[in-house]
Amino acid sequence: QITLKESGPTLVKPTQTLTLTCTFSDSSLTTSGVGVGWVRQPPGKALEWLALIYWNDDKHYSPSLKSRLTITKDTSKNQVVLTMTNMDPVDTATYYCVHRPNIGAFDIWGQGTMVTVSS
Amino acid sequence: EIVLTQSPGTLSLSPGERATLSCRASQSVSSSFLAWYQQKPGQAPRLLIHGASSRATGIPDRFSGSGSGTDFTLTISRLEPEDFVVYYCHQYGNSPRTFGQGTKLEIK
Repeated sequence: QITLKESGPTLVKPTQTLTLTCTFSDSSLTTSGVGVGWVRQPPGKALEWLALIYWNDDKHYSPSLKSRLTITKDTSKNQVVLTMTNMDPVDTATYYCVHRPNIGAFDIWGQGTMVTVSS
Repeated sequence: EIVLTQSPGTLSLSPGERATLSCRASQSVSSSFLAWYQQKPGQAPRLLIHGASSRATGIPDRFSGSGSGTDFTLTISRLEPEDFVVYYCHQYGNSPRTFGQGTKLEIK
């Protein structure tokens, strides 16, 4: 089955831009109906969906964060990249990359990467 | 945006007992696109149930999901020690996708 791995900085300063990369193990993002997205979880808190990109380059964003997020894909590298601008300490969280097959739910999750926003 | 409210926040039971976790939506969830995830400490969530009642691959049959519209339930028929962790519901039928705030299952 597909595996996902997140990479990026562990510490960013307030107002900086965060760039996270999800690298996955196969070319499933070329399959009709498949998407790869991001979900975050602040320490001790609930999950929050951020963004999702589909095989056909259709993109969806959380309305509350839409102005700060950009999601892109590079199918040749089996990667999805998320950028989040104007980082704030409240954005401190574990960021998970997720796989969305045709069933619609997120069936595979990356291990997560913890990002701390602090000066 | 659909708000998902999970209850109770914490459920105290003993191994071998039956657990019933609730997820209520602020409006009807399209086509029962409701999932349940299990999250163990320090780990990523794991998909248990999708489509309100379909078990994901490899999930034991002691886990079952039911419900439609605005009311959904995750039932664990006979609790094993490893089941005492946190559970989240998630709706993916309406944009934006949303999660519940979680139910923690603790040993009584």
